[in-house]
Amino acid sequence: DAGVTQSPTHLIKTRGQQVTLRCSPKSGHDTVSWYQQALGQGPQFIFQYYEEEERQRGNFPDRFSGHQYPNYSSELNVNALLLGDSALYLCASRRTGGNTEAFFGQGTRLTVV
Amino acid sequence: KQEVTQIPAALSVPEGENLVLNCSFTDSAIYNLQWFRQDPGKGLTSLLLIQSSQREQTSGRLNASLDKSSGRSTLYIAASQPGDSATYLCAVVPSYSGAGSYQLTFGKGTKLSVIP
Repeated sequence: DAGVTQSPTHLIKTRGQQVTLRCSPKSGHDTVSWYQQALGQGPQFIFQYYEEEERQRGNFPDRFSGHQYPNYSSELNVNALLLGDSALYLCASRRTGGNTEAFFGQGTRLTVV
Repeated sequence: KQEVTQIPAALSVPEGENLVLNCSFTDSAIYNLQWFRQDPGKGLTSLLLIQSSQREQTSGRLNASLDKSSGRSTLYIAASQPGDSATYLCAVVPSYSGAGSYQLTFGKGTKLSVIP
């Protein structure tokens, strides 16, 4: 079991550009969430996908969008990048139903210059 | 709005010492509480999940307790080792209304250093 995998590991983008981050959930998991973690802070919830639909969203602008595919993998897209978007982006997956824990990937470090 | 606080922000202990990390949350009506470990620049590793109906969970040298009425959880680490050095994060699930609604609210973490 490969666990939750994210790609790429590191990314450097220029202000104003667009970026796509990818996540493959743990085997047997069908719900994927994305979190943004600034340096020295706890992760902040961006949104959650289930059955290919965005089900819940945190306090993030529309520049942040996502997608979930039939195989449960997911993408996070950020448009018109700002310097403040520099952070560690974490993907989490879990199996829907009951009290099942969330598992996280190793994250994508995004630097906007 | 649910807020999660972790005290202290940083802790340094000698190897072999038992220690307690604290987590408090403002709204006692939580669904779950989960403890994580994070190494520098890395992702989160799940340590323990405590369901709202449970009082504690144990895994090896780790024991987590939950007191919903007081809005507190503690993570107890026995016989600390240098390999335990990391940031420990507490997260609560404020509510759960079905598939796609499992949202974690995190504290800022406690950075633990275990000195050999």
